[in-house]
Amino acid sequence: QQPVQSPQAVILREGEDAVINCSSSKALYSVHWYRQKHGEAPVFLMILLKGGEQKGHDKISASFNEKKQQSSLYLTASQLSYSGTYFCGTPTGNQFYFGTGTSLTVIP
Amino acid sequence: DTGVSQDPRHKITKRGQNVTFRCDPISEHNRLYWYRQTLGQGPEFLTYFQNEAQLEKSRLLSDRFSAERPKGSFSTLEIQRTEQGDSAMYLCASSLGGGATDTQYFGPGTRLTVL
Repeated sequence: QQPVQSPQAVILREGEDAVINCSSSKALYSVHWYRQKHGEAPVFLMILLKGGEQKGHDKISASFNEKKQQSSLYLTASQLSYSGTYFCGTPTGNQFYFGTGTSLTVIP
Repeated sequence: DTGVSQDPRHKITKRGQNVTFRCDPISEHNRLYWYRQTLGQGPEFLTYFQNEAQLEKSRLLSDRFSAERPKGSFSTLEIQRTEQGDSAMYLCASSLGGGATDTQYFGPGTRLTVL
């Protein structure tokens, strides 16, 4: 039931864009995105509740396609502070499943 | 509001010993979650409380693991007869509730090393 993310890892130069995908084999009712820096706890970024909904947070936005059971996170004009591991997550009943994770490294 | 806190931050123990971790959620949050995270993996759901009631427990959680949340405030996670495979980061998160809009706020975690 764990969502699968792609790519597993990506390295960017400052200012470049990136897309992180999250796919589920089960129906998605909401998708949550978190970022976790090395040695720290996950930090909430955003929730997408409706199919097709696109939310933005500074230069980070996301979309959610219910029919395809997919969500994508878009990082525009990446900054060094964007480095970390990004996880999608989704509730199923009273449980919560995090995705497989995508490691993002932004270099100068 | 001081956020979610966990204690201890690090624990080293010998195989076979029992350990107990504590989590203090954000004060007005009625939901509390425990996760386990190993290196390079996403957090893995262990159990969930709504107030003092334990409403969900992962089938992956062996009977050596037990969690409590007396009076719906802080929570404890106990691991009995620890094994080397229990070595991981144990994360606690709390939320206000609200179904699909439930936003979880994580504590700094307790890193367990079983020798």
